[in-house]
Amino acid sequence: DAKTTQPTSMDCAEGRAANLPCNHSTISGNEYVYWYRQIHSQGPQYIIHGLKNNETNEMASLIITEDRKSSTLILPHATLRDTAVYYCIVKGANSKLTFGKGITLSVRP
Amino acid sequence: DAGVIQSPRHEVTEMGQEVTLRCKPISGHDYLFWYRQTMMRGLELLIYFNNNVPIDDSGMPEDRFSAKMPNASFSTLKIQPSEPRDSAVYFCASSPYGGQAAEAFFGQGTRLTVV
Repeated sequence: DAKTTQPTSMDCAEGRAANLPCNHSTISGNEYVYWYRQIHSQGPQYIIHGLKNNETNEMASLIITEDRKSSTLILPHATLRDTAVYYCIVKGANSKLTFGKGITLSVRP
Repeated sequence: DAGVIQSPRHEVTEMGQEVTLRCKPISGHDYLFWYRQTMMRGLELLIYFNNNVPIDDSGMPEDRFSAKMPNASFSTLKIQPSEPRDSAVYFCASSPYGGQAAEAFFGQGTRLTVV
């Protein structure tokens, strides 16, 4: 599976949009981009996934560039409860999710 | 559905003892995954099953670790004998099907401390 690169950390103000970037320049045509998050001491939580089209659900939006080499997870109105480690993962046909270090998002009041 | 259920939530044991962690996947899910999380190594996939059959155990660290899935609603991860370096949070996850497009759902984990 292709590797991903994320910044180590970022912060945003409560109520503002949080835009979390991810690079996956070696992604292949049949690999999906997944986002999970892990709030302290809890199990990872699925957020969203996509192949090439932009996706939106009740939690977030996923914007994938046309060349698919990068993506952005958007939390439209961040709250304090969104403070967590966010993992961007590229998943292939082998069903495995391989987690990297993720990005720590801190939402400030 | 109650989600993926793991037990116990916390386990403290002495070095050399056998430890068994348990997982009940979401009903109807065909895939089950065991992960381990430590500060040093992050989240690591240990093994996963498809329809109760182990598919990939390349992440199992040593022969002291073994995992079974006797039926579709139950899996165990056993460490025998346990060592202090096995201290970690162990997560179980399940997925309705395999491949690229299936999301996995995680349990709340078992925090294992080996003293």
